[in-house]
Amino acid sequence: GQNIDQPTEMTATEGAIVQINCTYQTSGFNGLFWYQQHAGEAPTFLSYNVLDGLEEKGRFSSFLSRSKGYSYLLLKELQMKDSASYLCAVRSYSGGGADGLTFGKGTHLIIQP
Amino acid sequence: EAGVTQFPSHSVIEKGQTVTLRCDPISGHDNLYWYRRVMGKEIKFLLHFVKESKQDESGMPNNRFLAERTGGTYSTLKVQPAELEDSGVYFCASSQDTGAGTKNIQYFGAGTRLSVL
Repeated sequence: GQNIDQPTEMTATEGAIVQINCTYQTSGFNGLFWYQQHAGEAPTFLSYNVLDGLEEKGRFSSFLSRSKGYSYLLLKELQMKDSASYLCAVRSYSGGGADGLTFGKGTHLIIQP
Repeated sequence: EAGVTQFPSHSVIEKGQTVTLRCDPISGHDNLYWYRRVMGKEIKFLLHFVKESKQDESGMPNNRFLAERTGGTYSTLKVQPAELEDSGVYFCASSQDTGAGTKNIQYFGAGTRLSVL
């Protein structure tokens, strides 16, 4: 089966940096995705990693190590609007069909002034 | 460009009744997915359409759930008869492609919150 772990909740300060970790166990790995979700809204795509290394996109960066089954999402210059749930999801050939995503439970990020 | 839209946003029904959820994917996206999140759990995959064909329905809970995508455009998910454990948020997503690369990114709708009483 597949398993994705990420912290349930994190707290950070406005203007600071926060790193949200995600570990996964899967076979047939075919990409890792990060989504942001505000309460009652659609999960919004943030980043996609399929090869090892760092992908940077503005204030958000995501890192992947396939050999370690590990990813992190790095958020810089935190703003109050970044308070949301962050979902780690893996695409593989073994779970959720060929193309369905397997999600972690999400990390609820609280930004304090 | 319009995103993935779902209707209704919220549905409250009694056990034993029937409910139909609708999803309109992003225009031009051949791939459409249904997911569900029950309270306290993670989002879980239900099924995947490529155009009008079911590519994978391994996540469908049981035969009370029926998904269709006639004409390969919008999709419906019907629950008949609904049970208490069917309560949750049903998400729809669509993607342009399924191979490697950014065309496989799935874009989600805001979901339908189903409450079965």
